[in-house]
Amino acid sequence: DTEVTQTPKHLVMGMTNKKSLKCEQHMGHRAMYWYKQKAKKPPELMFVYSYEKLSINESVPSRFSPECPNSSLLNLHLHALQPEDSALYLCASSHLERQGRGANVLTFGAGSRLTVL
Amino acid sequence: AQSVAQPEDQVNVAEGNPLTVKCTYSVSGNPYLFWYVQYPNRGLQFLLKYITGDNLVKGSYGFEAEFNKSQTSFHLKKPSALVSDSALYFCAVRDSTNAGKSTFGDGTTLTVKP
Repeated sequence: DTEVTQTPKHLVMGMTNKKSLKCEQHMGHRAMYWYKQKAKKPPELMFVYSYEKLSINESVPSRFSPECPNSSLLNLHLHALQPEDSALYLCASSHLERQGRGANVLTFGAGSRLTVL
Repeated sequence: AQSVAQPEDQVNVAEGNPLTVKCTYSVSGNPYLFWYVQYPNRGLQFLLKYITGDNLVKGSYGFEAEFNKSQTSFHLKKPSALVSDSALYFCAVRDSTNAGKSTFGDGTTLTVKP
């Protein structure tokens, strides 16, 4: 299995809703990432998990809450979002350098397109 | 600090002609360099990387890139473009000392016309 699977593909939510984005991979990658991407712009790093522990938080507002329940799953919990948070949210995974295999080549999912009304 | 620049927002080529998408970078240590491609409504797909070794790197779909240390460049090339190569291309760099954090360029939209 060489894929990163993201659900849902599309999500529309109001500013008072609570929702979650989910990501799954079975490639043995021990690093998992959340990126935010606006149209025709580069992906912006939000969070990095290494060995299921949060290793990088790029000063993301607390209305975004990541969770890594195990080595294959990554969630992004959403609460009280703003319309400007509407974007494509990309999950990615990679081997870690200490794993010595294809270090830091990111495998991306197809993304979850979020619209906040 | 690390940064990457893609000086062209848009590159247009005719099918069958060679293509080049430019990328320059800045890092403190040794660079790890990557090219990714994004088709509409999709995630990014890895094309090729330079970590160490030969300066000419070959990747997926007939693409290649040349690492030039003196010019701090990593331009993406293909000898003969296909219409299906039309997409958004991102160059990314990571300092060898900066674990887990790649910086992406702003992207270049490649359009290949029949």
